[in-house]
Amino acid sequence: QKEVEQDPGPLSVPEGAIVSLNCTYSNSAFQYFMWYRQYSRKGPELLMYTYSSGNKEDGRFTAQVDKSSKYISLFIRDSQPSDSATYLCAMSLAGATNKLIFGTGTLLAVQP
Amino acid sequence: GAVVSQHPSWVICKSGTSVKIECRSLDFQATTMFWYRQFPKQSLMLMATSNEGSKATYEQGVEKDKFLINHASLTLSTLTVTSAHPEDSSFYICSARGGGAREQYFGPGTRLTVT
Repeated sequence: QKEVEQDPGPLSVPEGAIVSLNCTYSNSAFQYFMWYRQYSRKGPELLMYTYSSGNKEDGRFTAQVDKSSKYISLFIRDSQPSDSATYLCAMSLAGATNKLIFGTGTLLAVQP
Repeated sequence: GAVVSQHPSWVICKSGTSVKIECRSLDFQATTMFWYRQFPKQSLMLMATSNEGSKATYEQGVEKDKFLINHASLTLSTLTVTSAHPEDSSFYICSARGGGAREQYFGPGTRLTVT
């Protein structure tokens, strides 16, 4: 079993839809959770960063962490064609030197 | 936001030659830098972690004599692919993290093609 599981998609939605992207993980010691967006042939861009459980909102994006279920989500409201990209979840342990563990990424296509 | 640059963005080299890729943090001091490799439609594969002034820590299965990493300053790390072969062709991405931070900021990547 992988430490972090993410549905690879592709996920296709119409413009304006609410998108839900999810990751599950097996290590209950993960404390830091991130979502990255990666356009084709580009480096990942940090979208959201949360610590422990709870919700965090930034514009059209909301990140949700449920540590009891070992489940994190990223919601995109009013999705736009420019949101079409691969979304990667990532998480790390509490120690300062710990590396990020990435999901495999979900490919999202927002149709105009 | 934090900005990380990479150079070159694209390089073609002949088999047997060496290629150096630079990674720079432009507006923050990167105490730790990471080098990843990514194959088409796959996720990021961590190759090594480097702390400024220290030797890099390589992930299992990554040849440290083939992928030389130098992190000589708080804003610059380099990856040198020595004696490159076609199977080394890939997308190489660096990331950087400031002291005490958990989030990493990524460069735009370097596409290496070995002919």
